[in-house]
Amino acid sequence: KQEVTQIPAALSVPEGENLVLNCSFTDSAIYNLQWFRQDPGKGLTSLLLIQSSQREQTSGRLNASLDKSSGRSTLYIAASQPGDSATYLCAVTDSSYKLIFGSGTRLLVRP
Amino acid sequence: SQTIHQWPATLVQPVGSPLSLECTVEGTSNPNLYWYRQAAGRGLQLLFYSVGIGQISSEVPQNLSASRPQDRQFILSSKKLLLSDSGFYLCAWKQGWEAFFGQGTRLTVV
Repeated sequence: KQEVTQIPAALSVPEGENLVLNCSFTDSAIYNLQWFRQDPGKGLTSLLLIQSSQREQTSGRLNASLDKSSGRSTLYIAASQPGDSATYLCAVTDSSYKLIFGSGTRLLVRP
Repeated sequence: SQTIHQWPATLVQPVGSPLSLECTVEGTSNPNLYWYRQAAGRGLQLLFYSVGIGQISSEVPQNLSASRPQDRQFILSSKKLLLSDSGFYLCAWKQGWEAFFGQGTRLTVV
């Protein structure tokens, strides 16, 4: 059974710092991995999608990497801003096309 | 462009009452559809997913059920709500590899 874990569970940093969020999964037989952002009480916004054959994807200040063989992904946020404060979730599409989520990292960027 | 509609946004229901949450997708055809539940401060738990009309896979054998009467319509139901059914319910769709989510329904069972 695929399990997705995210560490840390919560993170508080001053504005301007570069930071790394971690995601790990137990079964490397995935089709892709997707990073989402969730603001309080809201739905999820897709940030980056990495196919299983890819190593990384970039969008603006965000960079996501994928090491499928070791079951790991990282989301790198450069020059963090208070507007980046949110919960960040990673999810993998498993061999049955189910989308399995981690429990998220709650990020607070202090002005 | 594709959009997903989920309603209602908030709902307060008494224990033992029925439930019907609806999700519709526009601008696409034959999407994979998903229902998730998110308890307070927790991750997303997959409840049901569907790869086509009338095809429902259940991940959580509780007092919830799902139906897909039309290609772009996904309904989450319950005959009798429990207190433990409270949570944030999210509908999602995928066509190709990327998933997109609705804005969610906050359900409080009292």
